[in-house]
Amino acid sequence: GAGVSQSPRYKVAKRGRDVALRCDSISGHVTLYWYRQTLGQGSEVLTYSQSDAQRDKSGRPSGRFSAERPERSVSTLKIQRTEQGDSAVYLCASILVPTGGLYNEQFFGPGTRLTVL
Amino acid sequence: GESVGLHLPTLSVQEGDNSIINCAYSNSASDYFIWYKQESGKGPQFIIDIRSNMDKRQGQRVTVLLNKTVKHLSLQIAATQPGDSAVYFCAENKDSWGKLQFGAGTQVVVTP
Repeated sequence: GAGVSQSPRYKVAKRGRDVALRCDSISGHVTLYWYRQTLGQGSEVLTYSQSDAQRDKSGRPSGRFSAERPERSVSTLKIQRTEQGDSAVYLCASILVPTGGLYNEQFFGPGTRLTVL
Repeated sequence: GESVGLHLPTLSVQEGDNSIINCAYSNSASDYFIWYKQESGKGPQFIIDIRSNMDKRQGQRVTVLLNKTVKHLSLQIAATQPGDSAVYFCAENKDSWGKLQFGAGTQVVVTP
């Protein structure tokens, strides 16, 4: 069946530019997460949102990261004023339950590889 | 700070042998741990999970062991196959929202 998809799969951006990465989650899934995966350093959660929250600004490492939820099963990660250190794979994940994700499997997309020049 | 990490960055295993992947964690408050498998060009795929009130859990060809005393987690893969070649991550659930903290990963290479 259809899983979590992300687009684009590869993105090259000039330093200082804004980028937007898209995630299409599984239909019916409520909570979406964005992670940044860096080779050899693991992954860190950037932001997350539930279906009734269009925007979540709990991003790390700074306020340059935010997520919007234009549709129930769509999330857009926006990175403002990109820096070379933002080069990484950005993973989107979703879960079915609406009240938090403890003990519930997260389904991941294939990721978007961002390169900032 | 709190972290989840792996002991070995690369593990080479002969086909048919058992694999053991280790993970150390430092957050004693974590009560849920997950192992993921990530193949090249794909996102992490759930393998098996374990809660802190357990010390062992078995799945199909996989077993996860949790030792809370020394804050150690391991994944055992029985009769390793070429399709098991991938990067394996352990992760801990950071809070009730389900945010995960991943380790750096271990590359498992299965040789014929």
